[in-house]
Amino acid sequence: RKEVEQDPGPFNVPEGATVAFNCTYSNSASQSFFWYRQDCRKEPKLLMSVYSSGNEDGRFTAQLNRASQYISLLIRDSKLSDSATYLCVVGSSASKIIFGSGTRLSIRP
Amino acid sequence: DAMVIQNPRYQVTQFGKPVTLSCSQTLNHNVMYWYQQKSSQAPKLLFHYYDKDFNNEADTPDNFQSRRPNTSFCFLDIRSPGLGDAAMYLCATRVFPVGTDTQYFGPGTRLTVL
Repeated sequence: RKEVEQDPGPFNVPEGATVAFNCTYSNSASQSFFWYRQDCRKEPKLLMSVYSSGNEDGRFTAQLNRASQYISLLIRDSKLSDSATYLCVVGSSASKIIFGSGTRLSIRP
Repeated sequence: DAMVIQNPRYQVTQFGKPVTLSCSQTLNHNVMYWYQQKSSQAPKLLFHYYDKDFNNEADTPDNFQSRRPNTSFCFLDIRSPGLGDAAMYLCATRVFPVGTDTQYFGPGTRLTVL
């Protein structure tokens, strides 16, 4: 079983739609959780950290459920510029950081 | 100003010819990571340094080695590159266990093996 698993995607949604991504992790001792965004042929960029209380940044909302070992990302009112691959990232133990396989999102006009 | 610098940005090598990729950081972060990313795949952790402690992933081939001579620099050595090693190699840094806990990535080195 992979340490971090994501929805395989791809997601193809119209501009203005709401889209949600899910991610599960296997190590219950994991301490840190993030969503990264990666554009084609670029390095990953931090989108947001994920906290147990949930956090929101504009159109983006992230949730963490430690009991179910589950992380989610919600994008509201999607824009064309949101098209990218979204990576679920988990600090699985001590200093180790593991990426999920990524979910590709394509927003159409 | 660039905080995590990778050189070169593009590297072409021949099959079996050793190659070294470099990463430097101005952040004074204590953890440095090397990831391999192939087309349409997620970054795969090869190894990381937590301070001076080297942490190798179990499935990282012996062909891949790393050196961290000081806090600022980390090198990835590929002893005998094969065609399957062609990929983007990403370096990242982080402060652990305190700080913002996020990783900062360099722009990557794209390796081509002929």
